[in-house]
Amino acid sequence: QKEVEQDPGPLSVPEGAIVSLNCTYSNSAFQYFMWYRQYSRKGPELLMYTYSSGNKEDGRFTAQVDKSSKYISLFIRDSQPSDSATYLCAMPSFGNEKLTFGTGTRLTIIP
Amino acid sequence: KAGVTQTPRYLIKTRGQQVTLSCSPISGHRSVSWYQQTPGQGLQFLFEYFSETQRNKGNFPGRFSGRQFSNSRSEMNVSTLELGDSALYLCASMYSNTQYFGPGTRLTVL
Repeated sequence: QKEVEQDPGPLSVPEGAIVSLNCTYSNSAFQYFMWYRQYSRKGPELLMYTYSSGNKEDGRFTAQVDKSSKYISLFIRDSQPSDSATYLCAMPSFGNEKLTFGTGTRLTIIP
Repeated sequence: KAGVTQTPRYLIKTRGQQVTLSCSPISGHRSVSWYQQTPGQGLQFLFEYFSETQRNKGNFPGRFSGRQFSNSRSEMNVSTLELGDSALYLCASMYSNTQYFGPGTRLTVL
């Protein structure tokens, strides 16, 4: 069993829809949670970073963490074609030098 | 500031050969991590260097090695290439608990 599980998709939704992306993890030592976005032929870029249970909002993006269930989510409101990318959840360890990633969910927003 | 740069961007090698990939971190960043990305396994941590010392290592065979220079630039070497080494190799430099990724080197092993 992988430490971090993520539905690989692909996921296609119409423009303007709310998107929900999810990950589960098994290692209780994970205390920080990140979401990265990766466009085709690019490296991942950090979208959101959170360390507590509950919600964190940044513009159209909301990260949600439920440590009791070991479940994290990323919500995208008013989705845009420019949001089409692969979204990866990641959890740091070793003082943040090592990231354990989910396999990524490929998202396509249809205009 | 310029971002993380990786060279070359694309590389084709044959089985049994060796390869060296280069990574220049963002100016001022002293930690460099390397990851392998494949469709089946996703992103997997290879190793991390700080001030020319390897601090952390992932679960990869000894054919994968790296080093870091005094200017924080890092190289990764893979010896005796296998078909399964075909992947996107990403490096990231870290500052204030955030890793910044380069565009990667796409390695194809034939």
